Order: sequence, then structure tokens, then C-alpha cells
Amino acid sequence: NAGVTQTPKFQVLKTGQSMTLQCAQDMNHEYMSWYRQDPGMGLRLIHYSVGAGITDQGEVPNGYNVSRSTTEDFPLRLLSAAPSQTSVYFCASSYTFGNPLGQGSSYEQYFGPGTRLTVT
Amino acid sequence: AQSVSQHNHHVILSEAASLELGCNYSYGGTVNLFWYVQYPGQHLQLLLKYFSGDPLVKGIKGFEAEFIKSKFSFNLRKPSVQWSDTAEYFCAVTPGGYQKVTFGTGTKLQVIP
Repeated sequence: NAGVTQTPKFQVLKTGQSMTLQCAQDMNHEYMSWYRQDPGMGLRLIHYSVGAGITDQGEVPNGYNVSRSTTEDFPLRLLSAAPSQTSVYFCASSYTFGNPLGQGSSYEQYFGPGTRLTVT
Repeated sequence: AQSVSQHNHHVILSEAASLELGCNYSYGGTVNLFWYVQYPGQHLQLLLKYFSGDPLVKGIKGFEAEFIKSKFSFNLRKPSVQWSDTAEYFCAVTPGGYQKVTFGTGTKLQVIP
């Protein structure tokens, strides 16, 4: 298993540009989520999904869109990049609570390697 | 909504010293609790978790944590740290039965040889 993969690893954008951060997992996890990590602020949840076709907002959703057309993929779109979106972005996945397949891992979240985004 | 507080932002210890990192959460019902670790340049990995049962849980690399429900705490401990424990540690909580995970702001641990 490749686990959770993210592309690109690094990206520099100009203010106002749009882009999509890719996230994919091959563990058949229903739950996927996007976080941003900023110094002194920990990880903040942007959006999450409990299955294909179902998404919801986290703590800091403004300026970001998501969709979940397949179980495997959960892309994060920046509509019009702003310097405040400079951050490291992590995608994570896990089994949803109640899925017996997740009991062995206690529904641990598996994280991707991250995307470091700079907006100038 | 639940929240998580990690009061120690930066901890510096010498090798072989004992470690205790504080984690407090605010949620009145059943919770699931986690500690994750992020080594320099790497992504987060699970150290240990508490779902139910024995409130003293043991994780990887000699770490343990104790869930004290009356204090809404889930402190992380290790009797003797090593230089390789230098990392950032995150406490996380989910309300029981719900999926959204809330992370604390993290504690950077620096172990001096």
C-alpha cells in the first residue's frame, strides 16, 4: 500500500491564482480530511468527508473547496490564493467509526507527507 | 464544540530526563483521545490512543498517557527521553461516535544530548 499520497510537495503561487492540491489513499478509508499547519496553531481542520459524495466544513473552510467523487481521492481547491493561505497542508484518512475494519487500528488517522504552499 | 489545550509550547530536556506533556480538553461527554508525533521534516504518526477501558495506555517507543476523566486531561509521559525523541507532539480529541478530530497547538520537545 502507498498509504496517503499528496502532490505537489512544494508550490509557490501568486496572489489571486488558483490551484488544486491532490490527495489520494489506497486503504479504502471512508473518512478523509484536510488540515493546515501553521506555527503555534497546531493543525486546523479545513474540510472533511465521510464518504464519496459527502463533504463538510471544518474550522477554517473559507477560501477552500473540496469534492469527493471517489473513495480514493479528495482534492483541495484554492479558489483565489491569498498570502494568509501560506501554510503546510496535510491530508489524512481513516476508517469511519463503526466500521469494524477500523477497530484494529482504533480508527487511527493516516497522514500524507504534506504540501508546503507559499503565496506571494 | 470540543477544544484541546496544550500548555507547554516548547520543552527542553536533557537525555535521560523524565517527560510529561500536558493535554486538557473541553467536552462533557465520551471522548476518544490521541497523541501524535511529528519528527522533523516528517508527517504525523500515531503514538497512542485511548478509546475505553484502562485509563493508562501505552504506546510506541516507551510513551504512555493517562486519561483522568475528572480533570479532562490526557497527559503524555516517558520515564527517560532520548535525543531521538526530539519532535513536535500533538494531542487530539474526538467526541465519542463522531469523526471530526480536534488537535491541540502542539508541544515542541528538544532533547539535548
